[in-house]
Amino acid sequence: GAVVSQHPSRVICKSGTSVKIECRSLDFQATTMFWYRQFPKQSLMLMATSNEGSKATYEQGVEKDKFLINHASLTLSTLTVTSAHPEDSSFYICSARGGLATQETQYFGPGTRLLVL
Amino acid sequence: AQRVTQPEKLLSVFKGAPVELKCNYSYSGSPELFWYVQYSRQRLQLLLRHISRESIKGFTADLNKGETSFHLKKPFAQEEDSAMYYCALSGEDSSYKLIFGSGTRLLVRP
Repeated sequence: GAVVSQHPSRVICKSGTSVKIECRSLDFQATTMFWYRQFPKQSLMLMATSNEGSKATYEQGVEKDKFLINHASLTLSTLTVTSAHPEDSSFYICSARGGLATQETQYFGPGTRLLVL
Repeated sequence: AQRVTQPEKLLSVFKGAPVELKCNYSYSGSPELFWYVQYSRQRLQLLLRHISRESIKGFTADLNKGETSFHLKKPFAQEEDSAMYYCALSGEDSSYKLIFGSGTRLLVRP
């Protein structure tokens, strides 16, 4: 149980376009989802916290207009990288928590590798 | 400021040797500490958390509030333990946000 999926697993896009990444909790309802960014050989940096039905809370230094987060249901959160540029190329990982068994633990998705040309 | 420090980027040991992955933290209150592991080409997964006080796959970690440390230990390393290990902290603010250390790659040689 407690599986989190991400789609797509990797995406290549042209500079200036927008890219949407989906994060789904497959077998539990996620009251909270988190979005992280990981640069090569570096740790995970929290970008934002997303609670179902409310606006996301962004970490300091993360542009909310650049990284749009929507958490419309208890099983789906999306991250949209708007007007992507090469410096946005990174590995984006989501995690989810919620429900009785998963309340105190974050379960991580497999990540999405974004390459902006 | 909240911070998690893992001083070693790489730790290489031989099979059967003891392992200690260091983790120090900076937090003004009483945080919850975790160890996450990422095996090759797999997603990040929880290894253990300090409040559980359990041993997973032979690993243990004790929270030392005086030294603000949460080192991960295993008496006899196995080759399958080779992975990336991240220490993480969650604060008291009920946000459940995790602050990660930079990670330590453990390489267990045969």
